[in-house]
Amino acid sequence: DGGITQSPKYLFRKEGQNVTLSCEQNLNHDAMYWYRQDPGQGLRLIYYSQIVNDFQKGDIAEGYSVSREKKESFPLTVTSAQKNPTAFYLCASRPNQGLREKLFFGSGTQLSVL
Amino acid sequence: QKEVEQDPGPLSVPEGAIVSLNCTYSNSAFQYFMWYRQYSRKGPELLMYTYSSGNKEDGRFTAQVDKSSKYISLFIRDSQPSDSATYLCAMARGSNYKLTFGKGTLLTVNP
Repeated sequence: DGGITQSPKYLFRKEGQNVTLSCEQNLNHDAMYWYRQDPGQGLRLIYYSQIVNDFQKGDIAEGYSVSREKKESFPLTVTSAQKNPTAFYLCASRPNQGLREKLFFGSGTQLSVL
Repeated sequence: QKEVEQDPGPLSVPEGAIVSLNCTYSNSAFQYFMWYRQYSRKGPELLMYTYSSGNKEDGRFTAQVDKSSKYISLFIRDSQPSDSATYLCAMARGSNYKLTFGKGTLLTVNP
């Protein structure tokens, strides 16, 4: 099945710890995105990548870092600098052609602070 | 003023009701308008997509865009309990531009 796989489903972070959220896709999409979702806040863009080895900051990039070494993978690291990391994190990819407004989302990772 | 405004609700209706969900926006450059549906603790899925102004119908769902008023709507006819979800509006300036999402409206359809 083609799609986006996020892992883990639940993640706990201790104070001062960096954690990495995994996002893998087998849709052959060039563009990938990371969103943060808080209750009542909708989706806010953290980082996005239009192509391998290139990525741009979104609206709330502070305290986060990403890499895009392979087309299929776009991991997100939540650093200790992110003081309020508790949220639902969603990874998405975008088709290269056709209906490009149809983002494909993973099932999300719920990050909580211990 | 936020680029996209959406009342977060929650909205609770009886089964069979007509539901109206709305968003307003401030950026006149938006040309692509979408509605995504998100079930609890899942990723959103594209429900409806409209380019520029006008109406689009798909089964029980109708999307309307009024660019002169900077207002978009999603209507759900004969609502079902399975329609219970969060509905997010989204907009983009073009097919190569990032999407801007509303906050989402939580809808519950009671049997």
